Amino acid sequence: DAGVTQSPTHLIKTRGQQVTLRCSPKSGHDTVSWYQQALGQGPQFIFQYYEEEERQRGNFPDRFSGHQYPNYSSELNVNALLLGDSALYLCASSKDRGVTDTQYFGPGTRLTVL
Amino acid sequence: AQKVTQAQTEISVVEKEDVTLDCVYETRDTTYYLFWYKQPPSGELVFLIRRNSFDEQNEISGRYSWNFQKSTSSFNFTITASQVVDSAVYFCALSESYNQGGKLIFGQGTELSVKP
Repeated sequence: DAGVTQSPTHLIKTRGQQVTLRCSPKSGHDTVSWYQQALGQGPQFIFQYYEEEERQRGNFPDRFSGHQYPNYSSELNVNALLLGDSALYLCASSKDRGVTDTQYFGPGTRLTVL
Repeated sequence: AQKVTQAQTEISVVEKEDVTLDCVYETRDTTYYLFWYKQPPSGELVFLIRRNSFDEQNEISGRYSWNFQKSTSSFNFTITASQVVDSAVYFCALSESYNQGGKLIFGQGTELSVKP
């Protein structure tokens, strides 16, 4: 049973560019949540996708957007990259929006913005 | 407002010592879930345990044990006879049901270093 997978593992971009990160949920899961983890900090919730719609959003600007496909996989897009966007981006999957279910995390994508 | 506080930033112990990681939370909700995750140097967050607010029964799983006390809003985690492989950052997290979305609120993490 495959766990949560994310791609790419590492990414280097320059300020102003755009980036797309990808996530495939654990088998049987229909909900994907994205988190940003800056160095030395706890993960911060970005948003959650369920039934191909954004259901909940954290305190992140509109430069952060996402998408969920019918197979439940998801993308995180960040436009107009800033140096402060450098972080580990974690994807988590769960069932039924994760209200009563545990979220399982992928290995993350480490984004460096120069 | 919801908040999770892990007051211990770093803990260093020698192998075979017992170590307790503290977690204090704040929430207005009466139904909520508490979690512990482990993050080894590889970066992946590994789920350890989940507790709901109606279940204060403490649990032991191998060398791990958890102490949940609603009266003090604490959810502490103990590793007995620590091993070098336990070295990692440990996160406590809160999920409130009223959010209807299972958003996790994490503490700042406690970095545990177990030396041989």
